[in-house]
Amino acid sequence: KAGVTQTPRYLIKTRGQQVTLSCSPISGHRSVSWYQQTPGQGLQFLFEYFSETQRNKGNFPGRFSGRQFSNSRSEMNVSTLELGDSALYLCASSLGQAQETQYFGPGTRLLVL
Amino acid sequence: GENVEQHPSTLSVQEGDSAVIKCTYSDSASNYFPWYKQELGKGPQLIIDIRSNVGEKKDQRIAVTLNKTAKHFSLHITETQPEDSAVYFCAASSNRGSTLGRLYFGRGTQLTVWP
Repeated sequence: KAGVTQTPRYLIKTRGQQVTLSCSPISGHRSVSWYQQTPGQGLQFLFEYFSETQRNKGNFPGRFSGRQFSNSRSEMNVSTLELGDSALYLCASSLGQAQETQYFGPGTRLLVL
Repeated sequence: GENVEQHPSTLSVQEGDSAVIKCTYSDSASNYFPWYKQELGKGPQLIIDIRSNVGEKKDQRIAVTLNKTAKHFSLHITETQPEDSAVYFCAASSNRGSTLGRLYFGRGTQLTVWP
């Protein structure tokens, strides 16, 4: 079974631009969660989608948004990029029930200049 | 919300020795505790997990123990090998609808195994 895939793997943007990241979950998984990883803040939860609905959201500004499609693929968007948005963005997929294992993708490394 | 603390932040051991990483959590509703290993340039990979109805779980050289009363859980790696060198993260989650699908992570432990 193929794992979680994320595209692109690396991205360089400038302040003020916007960016869209993509995540394809493991086949059959209906939940996709997004995390931001930085050296200073560690792994922080952005949001989780299940069956095309945002089920939970972390404490990030409204510049961070996401969506999920009917095939469970998910995208996250960051508008008006700031230098502090430079991070590794990870998505994880699961079946979506409580206590289910989350499987992570390799991440998208975003650098904002 | 949940707060997960992880210690130590760095750990160096000789090949063949054991390594222990400890985590505490604050939310008594947390009932699922996975451990992830992250190698350089890769996403976190699940290595073992434990649910609150179990006190200990073992998988070859790796074991996890859970003390619900004290709200702490630990990862034990025996007979360490250089390829065990990586950053290890503990995490916790609960059944609450408001936090479903959300893992709360510790800050990570950089484990270095010297040959």
